[in-house]
Amino acid sequence: KAGVTQTPRYLIKTRGQQVTLSCSPISGHRSVSWYQQTPGQGLQFLFEYFSETQRNKGNFPGRFSGRQFSNSRSEMNVSTLELGDSALYLCASSLASGNGYTFGSGTRLTVV
Amino acid sequence: EDQVTQSPEALRLQEGESSSLNCSYTVSGLRGLFWYRQDPGKGPEFLFTLYSAGEEKEKERLKATLTKKESFLHITAPKPEDSATYLCAVQDNYGQNFVFGPGTRLSVLP
Repeated sequence: KAGVTQTPRYLIKTRGQQVTLSCSPISGHRSVSWYQQTPGQGLQFLFEYFSETQRNKGNFPGRFSGRQFSNSRSEMNVSTLELGDSALYLCASSLASGNGYTFGSGTRLTVV
Repeated sequence: EDQVTQSPEALRLQEGESSSLNCSYTVSGLRGLFWYRQDPGKGPEFLFTLYSAGEEKEKERLKATLTKKESFLHITAPKPEDSATYLCAVQDNYGQNFVFGPGTRLSVLP
């Protein structure tokens, strides 16, 4: 079966711009989580959505936001990009919150 | 605040040389402890979930165990294809977000 699909794979943006990343979960999975991965901080939780509702949120500024659509696809938006936002952004899906998550390959965002 | 530490930070083994990776955690009521492996340029790949102390799970050359304060990932007779970063994560009983450890970077030399 198809895995978690994230688009685009690579992205280069200028400081101050905004960006939207997309995630299509495994068919039937209703829980979608987003993570930021950097060499210095490792994997850090951003937020989790279940049935179009945000269930949990990590300690990130309000510039980071997300949403989930009725087909479980999810988008993540970062506004007013900063150099420190350069990272690998990972999306993961699961049948329900707390189960083992299946991760996508991520979107590599570079802010210049 | 939930915390996860992993040791060692990096480990080099000869093919066939068994060893163990450690994951120590503090959490206000453990809902689950998760092990993942991550290859360079890819997302983490789910390996195991452990829910209670004393639980063990196995998959090929890997065996994960859990106590009240730590988990071990035992690798028996590793092969070069086992080379990856192994990540541990915990989720508390409130069902809040996952907290990941920094990972152990494993290299298995032929």
